[in-house]
Amino acid sequence: DAKTTQPPSMDCAEGRAANLPCNHSTISGNEYVYWYRQIHSQGPQYIIHGLKNNETNEMASLIITEDRKSSTLILPHATLRDTAVYYCIVRKGNMLTFGGGTRLMVKP
Amino acid sequence: EAGVAQSPRYKIIEKRQSVAFWCNPISGHATLYWYQQILGQGPKLLIQFQNNGVVDDSQLPKDRFSAERLKGVDSTLKIQPAKLEDSAVYLCASSLGDRGQNSPLHFGNGTRLTVT
Repeated sequence: DAKTTQPPSMDCAEGRAANLPCNHSTISGNEYVYWYRQIHSQGPQYIIHGLKNNETNEMASLIITEDRKSSTLILPHATLRDTAVYYCIVRKGNMLTFGGGTRLMVKP
Repeated sequence: EAGVAQSPRYKIIEKRQSVAFWCNPISGHATLYWYQQILGQGPKLLIQFQNNGVVDDSQLPKDRFSAERLKGVDSTLKIQPAKLEDSAVYLCASSLGDRGQNSPLHFGNGTRLTVT
């Protein structure tokens, strides 16, 4: 499986953009990059996914580099409710393999 | 649309007892997954179903864990007998499965199991 590397923790000021990086240098050409987040006592919540092109939805934007070896999840205006563990996952086949994620703390 | 439903929300049992968890996936989702999440770690896949057939159970401790998905809808995960190290959150997820990697998984809120 393609491994991902994320910083263990990050802080962000409320109202500012949160940019969460992820390295996946061994990704294969047909593997998707997925982002999930997990708020305390809840199951992982799907955020966004992409293959090659940048993607945007109502929750976030996903920027994938041209060589696909890294990506960045952008929360444009972070709120206190965005405090969570964010998982970057390179999806192999039909399953998701979670790593340790990044613990994002949004501060007032 | 209704999300993935799981019950019970919490369960406390003594070691060597048995326990069962129930999952109702999102309507129309062909693929169903069970994950185990130990405190402080990311979820780990236990088993994957496509309709009512097992696709991958390589990470399922089959000496004590079993799972079934009758009629390709609801699923149950059972542990018998439980060990202390089984204390974890058991998460169920489902996906349409019709677009392979392009079908997101949607998770329930899990069952928190404590084995004493």
